[in-house]
Amino acid sequence: KNQVEQSPQSLIILEGKNCTLQCNYTVSPFSNLRWYKQDTGRGPVSLTIMTFSENTKSNGRYTATLDADTKQSSLHITASQLSDSASYICVVTLRNAGNMLTFGGGTRLMVKP
Amino acid sequence: DTAVSQTPKYLVTQMGNDKSIKCEQNLGHDTMYWYKQDSKKFLKIMFSYNNKELIINETVPNRFSPKSPDKAHLNLHINSLELGDSAVYFCASSQTSGLAFFGQGTRLTVV
Repeated sequence: KNQVEQSPQSLIILEGKNCTLQCNYTVSPFSNLRWYKQDTGRGPVSLTIMTFSENTKSNGRYTATLDADTKQSSLHITASQLSDSASYICVVTLRNAGNMLTFGGGTRLMVKP
Repeated sequence: DTAVSQTPKYLVTQMGNDKSIKCEQNLGHDTMYWYKQDSKKFLKIMFSYNNKELIINETVPNRFSPKSPDKAHLNLHINSLELGDSAVYFCASSQTSGLAFFGQGTRLTVV
């Protein structure tokens, strides 16, 4: 069964600190992996997208890594800000005609001053 | 200009009613999706439409039916609404396996 699991489910950090979110998947065949940020009451917004051959990708203070062999990805947030408080969702695309997206359950991050 | 727009943003209705949520994308994408986000914030795919053909239907009750009048629209019709249908519904679009863009969501409350 194609699954995407994220950890931790929730995380509280102080402003200015770094953190790393984890994503493990069993989706196969794999097309790409994306990290989305979802603010409360808003739709998900893309942070990064990585294909099979990419190991790391950065978007400002966000850096995503991908190990396609172990089927693991991480999202590292540097120098966290209060505005980083949101849910972070890992999404894996299945390589088939429908390009099915499989969503992880998300990590709820709260950054405190 | 909003890339993926959903209406209405909020919908409160009684059990047993029939309602529709509209979705439009102006990105020229060939695939559109509907997702349900439950109380635990978990996003589950409901439907995927590619070139006006239904590709995926993830064991969704047949009370839910997607309607795509054209490539830029994918509306969600719900018949005989139940309490358990209360959730936030997201529309999204993408070009084949490209990046998916999401609408802002429709919060449906069934009372």
